[in-house]
Amino acid sequence: AQSVAQPEDQVNVAEGNPLTVKCTYSVSGNPYLFWYVQYPNRGLQFLLKYITGDNLVKGSYGFEAEFNKSQTSFHLKKPSALVSDSALYFCAVSPPSYSNTGKLIFGQGTTLQVKP
Amino acid sequence: SQTIHQWPATLVQPVGSPLSLECTVEGTSNPNLYWYRQAAGRGLQLLFYSVGIGQISSEVPQNLSASRPQDRQFILSSKKLLLSDSGFYLCAWSRLMTSGTEAFFGQGTRLTVV
Repeated sequence: AQSVAQPEDQVNVAEGNPLTVKCTYSVSGNPYLFWYVQYPNRGLQFLLKYITGDNLVKGSYGFEAEFNKSQTSFHLKKPSALVSDSALYFCAVSPPSYSNTGKLIFGQGTTLQVKP
Repeated sequence: SQTIHQWPATLVQPVGSPLSLECTVEGTSNPNLYWYRQAAGRGLQLLFYSVGIGQISSEVPQNLSASRPQDRQFILSSKKLLLSDSGFYLCAWSRLMTSGTEAFFGQGTRLTVV
C-alpha cells in the first residue's frame, strides 16, 4: 500500500536553532510531494511542494525541503526556528496513480515545539 | 483570489441526528473538491472527492455521504450520526486536471457527537 511516514510525533528545538521534520514515502513511480502546516483548530496551510527539478525546494515562512529520491525522503527544514513556527506539520504525497484527481496521502503529522 | 468557506466552525449533535456541513469555493471554476476527516488532531483521511457537479467518489465505507449540487459547493451529510463520526472535518479544493497542484483547505468544522 502507498503510504507516508513521519517518524517523529514531536520535534523540540530551541529558537534560533535549525530544525528538521522528517518524511519518507512509499509510493510507486515519481510522486508529487507537499508540506502543510496546521495551527490549533485551523485548516491546513500549504508550505511548499516538489514537482520536478532542483531537489531543494523553498517555500513560505523561510521553510525549505530536500527531496532525496534514493532515500524516498522529503525532509522539511528551516535554518533558524521561531517560536511562532510551533505547530503541527504534515507531509503529503500525490502518487502518479492518482493522476489528475489531486488526491493526497498524508502522514500522521509531527508536532514542532520551538522553545524560547 | 480564491477563497474557501466552510461552516459551521463547531457543531455538537446528538447520536442519531442528521448532519449537513457545507463548503463553498470562490474565485475559481471547475475545482476538484475534497472532504477530509482528521481524528484526534493527527493524520487526515480522505472521505470523498469530486471532479465535477454530481460526480462523487467515496474513499472509505462509512456513515456519511457527499453531494455537489453546484460547481463550487460541496456538502457532507449524514442521515443518522454515530459517536464515531466525531472529528475535525476539512473541506479542500484544487485546480481541476492539473497534476501536482496543491490543495487549499477550509478552516474546518469540529463535530462532536454526543
